[in-house]
Amino acid sequence: DAGVIQSPRHEVTEMGQEVTLRCKPISGHDYLFWYRQTMMRGLELLIYFNNNVPIDDSGMPEDRFSAKMPNASFSTLKIQPSEPRDSAVYFCASSSGMGVQPQHFGDGTRLSIL
Amino acid sequence: GNSVTQMEGPVTLSEEAFLTINCTYTATGYPSLFWYVQYPGEGLQLLLKATKADDKGSNKGFEATYRKETTSFHLEKGSVQVSDSAVYFCALTENTGTASKLTFGTGTRLQVTL
Repeated sequence: DAGVIQSPRHEVTEMGQEVTLRCKPISGHDYLFWYRQTMMRGLELLIYFNNNVPIDDSGMPEDRFSAKMPNASFSTLKIQPSEPRDSAVYFCASSSGMGVQPQHFGDGTRLSIL
Repeated sequence: GNSVTQMEGPVTLSEEAFLTINCTYTATGYPSLFWYVQYPGEGLQLLLKATKADDKGSNKGFEATYRKETTSFHLEKGSVQVSDSAVYFCALTENTGTASKLTFGTGTRLQVTL
């Protein structure tokens, strides 16, 4: 079975550029989560969706960050403009809705802003 | 609010040694508890879970028991292997009947040497 697929795996870009991270959740999962992981702050939940609708975006750090889920099989996290402090590993995870279901994580996108 | 506290790492052990990674939690309701593992360059994977008090989760030789009286969910393994080297995250989620946010600990890095 295909897991959560993220692209790209690595991204290196210059400060001020727009960055778009992509995620394909596991088919049939109706929850999608975006996380950021850094050495200093650990694992942070940025935003999550249920049935393509954003439920909680309180973890989104600034207006420079935006996330969309146009359909059940695709989501994007966009940073515009990017800054060096945005450098981190960004993870997408998905889960099925009812009961206590585990979240399935992708392998992450390692983002470096120069 | 909910929180999870894990022991500081890294934890360095010789192969075949006994492992304990401590985890305590604070929650307003009756949470479900999880241990996730992150191998280098990968996303988090569910290792085990327990959904109510006195439940024991187990997988791949790892065990953890949900102790409501001490609000703890310590991870143990009787004999670690080099392949167990990874970062281990304790996490909780409220049992609201629907998928909800995970609250993660800061992670504990385990290094197993020959």
